[in-house]
Amino acid sequence: QQQVKQSPQSLIVQKGGISIINCAYENTAFDYFPWYQQFPGKGPALLIAIRPDVSEKKEGRFTISFNKSAKQFSLHIMDSQPGDSATYFCAASNHNQGGKLIFGQGTELSVKP
Amino acid sequence: KAGVTQTPRYLIKTRGQQVTLSCSPISGHRSVSWYQQTPGQGLQFLFEYFSETQRNKGNFPGRFSGRQFSNSRSEMNVSTLELGDSALYLCASSLALAGVDYEQYFGPGTRLTVT
Repeated sequence: QQQVKQSPQSLIVQKGGISIINCAYENTAFDYFPWYQQFPGKGPALLIAIRPDVSEKKEGRFTISFNKSAKQFSLHIMDSQPGDSATYFCAASNHNQGGKLIFGQGTELSVKP
Repeated sequence: KAGVTQTPRYLIKTRGQQVTLSCSPISGHRSVSWYQQTPGQGLQFLFEYFSETQRNKGNFPGRFSGRQFSNSRSEMNVSTLELGDSALYLCASSLALAGVDYEQYFGPGTRLTVT
């Protein structure tokens, strides 16, 4: 019940295209859903996060869509650029468990020029 | 504002030895969490410290331990190292203020290799 399932494992998108990464969770007590971006040799960097009282949040080219009834959330990267090539992780946590983030397995995104 | 810093960045140890990793959180952040990242298991939560107290613990054996100092700096220790402990160890810090989104900011990690 603590798992977060992420798909796809890898994704190849053409420059200018839309990248979509999906995550599903079981634990309805989760109330915070961040996305992280990680480049090789670096730590994960917080991209954008959402709470379940909001169905969508947009920051620049990055959008989170949240479906509470389906227990799913997704990251959309609009106008994908080669510089977006990285590994993306979704995560979930419950405020009663403080800093304990449960991560998805990651999606390796490659944006082709 | 300086980010999360971790030392050392790289470490090579032998099976059976012990190791101590250090993390300095962003100034003003009171919570420090530790994660292990491996290709097979992904990112797994080890433990969280807040105001020098362990607040949460993941599913790792007792060989993994940590502590937090009064200045919020944290250390984690792994005793009796095993080959499977080879991983990137990440530290994340957070303001951890009630009512504020629990945003965590990660350091660059310490790459531990056990031979």
